[in-house]
Amino acid sequence: AQSVAQPEDQVNVAEGNPLTVKCTYSVSGNPYLFWYVQYPNRGLQFLLKYITGDNLVKGSYGFEAEFNKSQTSFHLKKPSALVSDSALYFCAVRPVGGFGYALNFGKGTSLLVTP
Amino acid sequence: NAGVTQTPKFQVLKTGQSMTLQCAQDMNHNSMYWYRQDPGMGLRLIYYSASEGTTDKGEVPNGYNVSRLNKREFSLRLESAAPSQTSVYFCASSAQATGRETQYFGPGTRLLVL
Repeated sequence: AQSVAQPEDQVNVAEGNPLTVKCTYSVSGNPYLFWYVQYPNRGLQFLLKYITGDNLVKGSYGFEAEFNKSQTSFHLKKPSALVSDSALYFCAVRPVGGFGYALNFGKGTSLLVTP
Repeated sequence: NAGVTQTPKFQVLKTGQSMTLQCAQDMNHNSMYWYRQDPGMGLRLIYYSASEGTTDKGEVPNGYNVSRLNKREFSLRLESAAPSQTSVYFCASSAQATGRETQYFGPGTRLLVL
């Protein structure tokens, strides 16, 4: 089965500090990995994706993620957190074949940035 | 360019009632998807349409039907609603169904089945 895991239900960070939201994956073959953010009562917004190439992927709103094949991880990072970054973050993997290449989502990590 | 739109935003049904959730995209995308989101479970795929004229079951299709009306529109129908279908429903679209493309999501429909 091809899946992602987000080991933390919630991450708390003080404003101005670096943040990391963790994601590990389990796939056969090369993964396509995605990060989405969901603000309260809103739909999911695309942040960034890893398809191939450079392991460090830069995305929207100052976020970046590092693909680490040996550790099967794709952690989301930001050097300096903002209160407005508080939201629910989802990691997703696109499996090869099956279900029209729909996304397999993790359970989500709630990020709380305090002033 | 509105992206992906969904109607209604919120709906309350009684057990056994039927309803159709509407989704439309204006990005000329070929592929469309319906997901449901439940607390602590992420999003799960209900049905998808890889291209106009085709629809296929996803991970949790029981109790739902879909129609790909044209390239823009993809509707989800609940024939006889059950409390277990209380959820937030998201429609998404992507240019193709080849793995690399980003999926773009609508704002969601909150459904409460009493």
